[in-house]
Amino acid sequence: KQEVTQIPAALSVPEGENLVLNCSFTDSAIYNLQWFRQDPGKGLTSLLLIQSSQREQTSGRLNASLDKSSGRSTLYIAASQPGDSATYLCAVPDSGGGADGLTFGKGTHLIIQP
Amino acid sequence: DADVTQTPRNRITKTGKRIMLECSQTKGHDRMYWYRQDPGLGLRLIYYSFDVKDINKGEISDGYSVSRQAQAKFSLSLESAIPNQTALYFCATSVRGEGGRETDTQYFGPGTRLTVL
Repeated sequence: KQEVTQIPAALSVPEGENLVLNCSFTDSAIYNLQWFRQDPGKGLTSLLLIQSSQREQTSGRLNASLDKSSGRSTLYIAASQPGDSATYLCAVPDSGGGADGLTFGKGTHLIIQP
Repeated sequence: DADVTQTPRNRITKTGKRIMLECSQTKGHDRMYWYRQDPGLGLRLIYYSFDVKDINKGEISDGYSVSRQAQAKFSLSLESAIPNQTALYFCATSVRGEGGRETDTQYFGPGTRLTVL
């Protein structure tokens, strides 16, 4: 059974810092990995999806990397802003490409101090 | 307008009551999912459906049932609610291949906060 772990569970940093969120998974036979953002009282917003054949994906100040062989992914946030404060979740498919649902980590609760 | 909507957004009920949570989507996706989120446990899959005739149990289906009334609607029912079903419930949709080969990018609704007293 796939297990996803996210470290750290919580992080508080001053505005402007670059930071890294970590995600690890136990079964490396994945087709993709997805990073989500969750704001209080709101649903999940997909940030980045990395295919198994890719090493990284970038969107604005966000960069996600994937190392399937070691079962790890990182989300890099450059020049953090207070608006980045949220919970960040990573998720991998239960099987195949994700049709059977996703297995989520417990998330990293991020606070960016103004 | 949101592509994936959930009603109600908040609900407080008592033990033993029957509760239905509803999900509607305008994305035209064939696949729909119900997850629950508990503090410290992350999101866990309850049920999922590939189309109106295809319903599948997820990791934690006990105590729940679902109905796929149409491609755009997927309802989750708690036949007799109990306090440990207090959680945040999310509906999601996906379509095969939108995120790439063998990939189902999932889109989530805003969630329903359910409290069972």
